[in-house]
Amino acid sequence: SQQGEEDPQALSIQEGENATMNCSYKTSINNLQWYRQNSGRGLVHLILIRSNEREKHSGRLRVTLDTSKKSSSLLITASRAADTASYFCATLRRGSGNTGKLIFGQGTTLQVKP
Amino acid sequence: DAGVIQSPRHEVTEMGQEVTLRCKPISGHDYLFWYRQTMMRGLELLIYFNNNVPIDDSGMPEDRFSAKMPNASFSTLKIQPSEPRDSAVYFCASTATSQETQYFGPGTRLLVL
Repeated sequence: SQQGEEDPQALSIQEGENATMNCSYKTSINNLQWYRQNSGRGLVHLILIRSNEREKHSGRLRVTLDTSKKSSSLLITASRAADTASYFCATLRRGSGNTGKLIFGQGTTLQVKP
Repeated sequence: DAGVIQSPRHEVTEMGQEVTLRCKPISGHDYLFWYRQTMMRGLELLIYFNNNVPIDDSGMPEDRFSAKMPNASFSTLKIQPSEPRDSAVYFCASTATSQETQYFGPGTRLLVL
């Protein structure tokens, strides 16, 4: 039932390098969200991009959205060991109100080596 | 502010036993979600509530699973009887009507032997 697919499934880089993760989805969206999950922990929201936006920045994070290709990418610049985690994209299937069902991709596991 | 609280954090049980997972959402949030995470299926929504009323339970696997929200500050997810394939991490999340993002609890890691 997963809508999104992410690649790569796993990524290993050195501290200071940039990390890029990609996400594809199947249906039309209101917005696309990225979440981070540290090992053994819950998910934490990172950034949301709306369907009428093409790019969004938050600190060292840059998200792009291409609705014609139904794809998004998350770029983490100047990575740190603390960025080691799994990253998930999620599309929102709205109910009544602003929220609803989040449909997650399979995730990218990022390892940043010190 | 306390985040979403889940208990227990870990549960080991034997096949056939009843399992009850508990969740306390963030105060003031009127939406509550139950997700399950497995290696095979990833993260999937089981059910969500708005103002204590179930809105979408299409993700509940089968009749062995049931969820309740008796009041705005408490929800349970019950599995009876449990089976080994129910082994997973179960997350509770909450949010408010005005928000599009969701706030996740730390999860309950369930192992059914």
